[in-house]
Amino acid sequence: QQKVQQSPESLSVPEGGMASLNCTSSDRNFQYFWWYRQHSGEGPKALMSIFSDGDKKEGRFTAHLNKASLHVSLHIRDSQPSDSALYFCAASEPITGNTGKLIFGLGTTLQVQP
Amino acid sequence: GGIITQTPKFLIGQEGQKLTLKCQQNFNHDTMYWYRQDSGKGLRLIYYSITENDLQKGDLSEGYDASREKKSSFSLTVTSAQKNEMAVFLCASTGLGANTGQLYFGEGSKLTVL
Repeated sequence: QQKVQQSPESLSVPEGGMASLNCTSSDRNFQYFWWYRQHSGEGPKALMSIFSDGDKKEGRFTAHLNKASLHVSLHIRDSQPSDSALYFCAASEPITGNTGKLIFGLGTTLQVQP
Repeated sequence: GGIITQTPKFLIGQEGQKLTLKCQQNFNHDTMYWYRQDSGKGLRLIYYSITENDLQKGDLSEGYDASREKKSSFSLTVTSAQKNEMAVFLCASTGLGANTGQLYFGEGSKLTVL
């Protein structure tokens, strides 16, 4: 069973619109969550992390975490064509000390229509 | 800023062949990772290494070997390539640990097995 589940699988929004991506974990060992973005032909790049309950805003991007339900979301306002990419939710599973390994979801493909 | 360099960028092999992928980072990061990305399956962890000469198996280690002889480099060997196999292998590193630090990815090595 996939430990990190993302929805929807794909999403299309108009330029200037709001994109909302969802992620749910099934493992309460996960304490830290990340959103990564991957453009075609490139490696994933970290967008933002969230560790505490509530909202975290960075520019046009807002992440929300509900630890009780292990649900994380990412909202992109004023979406731009350059936001078109594959978005991954990742949860950190502790290894030792401050070192962990990231477990990724299958991703959400976002297409922003000009 | 640093960079992660993966070689080769494209690798074509024959069934049963042993194939090696290389990764170099100049971040001076302690922890390095190898992930496999298949279409529609997200990123799956193959091996990771917390420090020089350390090796830890991920969820997908069967059929692979890894080697971390130096802090800056991490190699992955496909021990016997499977016919019709096609995937992108991504190397990543982190300095603070994946719990609170972000992963930096290379651009990937694309494997095709004929």
